Amino acid sequence: GNSVTQMEGPVTLSEEAFLTINCTYTATGYPSLFWYVQYPGEGLQLLLKATKADDKGSNKGFEATYRKETTSFHLEKGSVQVSDSAVYFCALSDSGGGADGLTFGKGTHLIIQP
Amino acid sequence: DVKVTQSSRYLVKRTGEKVFLECVQDMDHENMFWYRQDPGLGLRLIYFSYDVKMKEKGDIPEGYSVSREKKERFSLILESASTNQTSMYLCASSTGDNYGYTFGSGTRLTVV
Repeated sequence: GNSVTQMEGPVTLSEEAFLTINCTYTATGYPSLFWYVQYPGEGLQLLLKATKADDKGSNKGFEATYRKETTSFHLEKGSVQVSDSAVYFCALSDSGGGADGLTFGKGTHLIIQP
Repeated sequence: DVKVTQSSRYLVKRTGEKVFLECVQDMDHENMFWYRQDPGLGLRLIYFSYDVKMKEKGDIPEGYSVSREKKERFSLILESASTNQTSMYLCASSTGDNYGYTFGSGTRLTVV
């Protein structure tokens, strides 16, 4: 079956540090890949996505590249802010738009200190 | 602004009660989902629906049922609530393309 593995936290960084959150996946075929973010007390929001190999998703300074050869979709940001503190989820869909449900990683809690 | 609305942010119910969690979306999405979120376990799919009156079991359907009588509304039902169903419940909808899901704000259910 499908699975997503991501580094568990909490990950604590200082403001303006470089961020990497690792995500690897197991899936049949050619899944679509997503990063979601959950701010305290809220639901999940789509942060970025990539639908085929070598695609790069980007949003709000975050980036992730779909690497089929390493089955990875690592999230990066060059300079984090306190407002980036949240839980980040990597997810995949092997049914195109996720009509059968997304498979999520367990989430990475990111804490940014001023 | 498109929305998925869950009727309650917080609920406290007693063991054995029948519990209804309601979710409404205003985006005319075909697909709707119920997940539960637990620390250390991430999100797990309970049920989903790709059309009115259609439902499919997810990964952890035991102890739950669902109802989708109208396209915009997807209800999660706990037939007889138990303490191990204390959790955060998240509803989501999607169009079936690659634009991802839109999530509601969640319902934190406590069963005592």
